[in-house]
Amino acid sequence: KQEVTQIPAALSVPEGENLVLNCSFTDSAIYNLQWFRQDPGKGLTSLLLIQSSQREQTSGRLNASLDKSSGRSTLYIAASQPGDSATYLCAVRGWGAQKLVFGQGTRLTINP
Amino acid sequence: DAGVTQSPTHLIKTRGQQVTLRCSPKSGHDTVSWYQQALGQGPQFIFQYYEEEERQRGNFPDRFSGHQFPNYSSELNVNALLLGDSALYLCASSLGTGMAYGYTFGSGTRLTVV
Repeated sequence: KQEVTQIPAALSVPEGENLVLNCSFTDSAIYNLQWFRQDPGKGLTSLLLIQSSQREQTSGRLNASLDKSSGRSTLYIAASQPGDSATYLCAVRGWGAQKLVFGQGTRLTINP
Repeated sequence: DAGVTQSPTHLIKTRGQQVTLRCSPKSGHDTVSWYQQALGQGPQFIFQYYEEEERQRGNFPDRFSGHQFPNYSSELNVNALLLGDSALYLCASSLGTGMAYGYTFGSGTRLTVV
């Protein structure tokens, strides 16, 4: 059974810092991994999708990496801004599976 | 281009009642999945519909049922509501299996059972 863990559960940093969010998964047989952002009480916004054959994906100030063999992914946020404050969720999809398995998220606060 | 649309946004029901939640997928998408997100937790997969059939189901009781219409929109029905059913219900859509481009999520329906 796939399990996804995100550490830390919460993170507070001053504006302008570069930061890394971590995601680990127990079964390396994944098809892809997707990072989402969730604002309080809202739905999920897709940030980056990494296929299992890829090592990383970039979008603006965001960079996500994937190391299947070690069961890890990281989301790097450069030059953080108060508007980046949200909960960040990672989700993995196994081969042949339709469902996403989510971590519990990291609640990020960027202080002005 | 409209994204995934869910209705209603908020709902309050009494224990034992039944509820129906609705989802319209993103334009061009034909597959709809439903997730339940309890407060402070990650979303949990309920089921997925494709070509009006349930394609895969998560670990949820039969009180949870769904339907997909010919226009790809979908409904989630929950019978005999329990207090523990209080959660944010998220709908996600994709084109086919979603392997290439992942899933697009809606803003959710907040269900409160009292």
